[in-house]
Amino acid sequence: DQQVKQNSPSLSVQEGRISILNCDYTNSMFDYFLWYKKYPAEGPTFLISISSIKDKNEDGRFTVFLNKSAKHLSLHIVPSQPGDSAVYFCAATGYFGNEKLTFGTGTRLTIIP
Amino acid sequence: ETGVTQSPTHLIKTRGQQVTLRCSSQSGHNTVSWYQQALGQGPQFIFQYYREEENGRGNFPPRFSGLQFPNYSSELNVNALELDDSALYLCASSSRDRGPPTQETQYFGPGTRLLVL
Repeated sequence: DQQVKQNSPSLSVQEGRISILNCDYTNSMFDYFLWYKKYPAEGPTFLISISSIKDKNEDGRFTVFLNKSAKHLSLHIVPSQPGDSAVYFCAATGYFGNEKLTFGTGTRLTIIP
Repeated sequence: ETGVTQSPTHLIKTRGQQVTLRCSSQSGHNTVSWYQQALGQGPQFIFQYYREEENGRGNFPPRFSGLQFPNYSSELNVNALELDDSALYLCASSSRDRGPPTQETQYFGPGTRLLVL
């Protein structure tokens, strides 16, 4: 029962272009969504989040969009940089945010110089 | 402000043995959650501790147990290790007391990589 899905295991993007990572969820009780970035041999690093009462949140080069009716969120990185190469995990949780996180299986992003 | 730390960074055990993993939460955080990440998968929630009490558990057998101490650090204990327990074990800390409308973010440590032979 995969409640959070990242259907693209990998994505390659030219440096300077836009990277778009997608995530779908099935549980309508999810209320808070997060993106984490993970380098090999490190723990996940928090990147950006969005509450279900919003449809967009921006932080520098990173923007997360949420479409509640479609149960879909996406992470946009503009412009993409070589240091962005990592595995990106989408996660979802309840209203308070500090309940259990349900993760997708991750998308490996490779930025091509 | 110190981040989440975990020890050891990696270890090797044999089937049937017991293991204890440790986590120090980020300063100001009173909640610790443990996750298991198998190769090629996303992290899976094991359980959470808040003020020294278990506060939610995922689909893991009772041989996975934990503790939280008054300083909010935590331990994960796994008994009767199985080959499938080989994974990266992640600890995340957050705060539960600030309440809505603040939505708390969980911050992760670097993990402990466990190999069971």
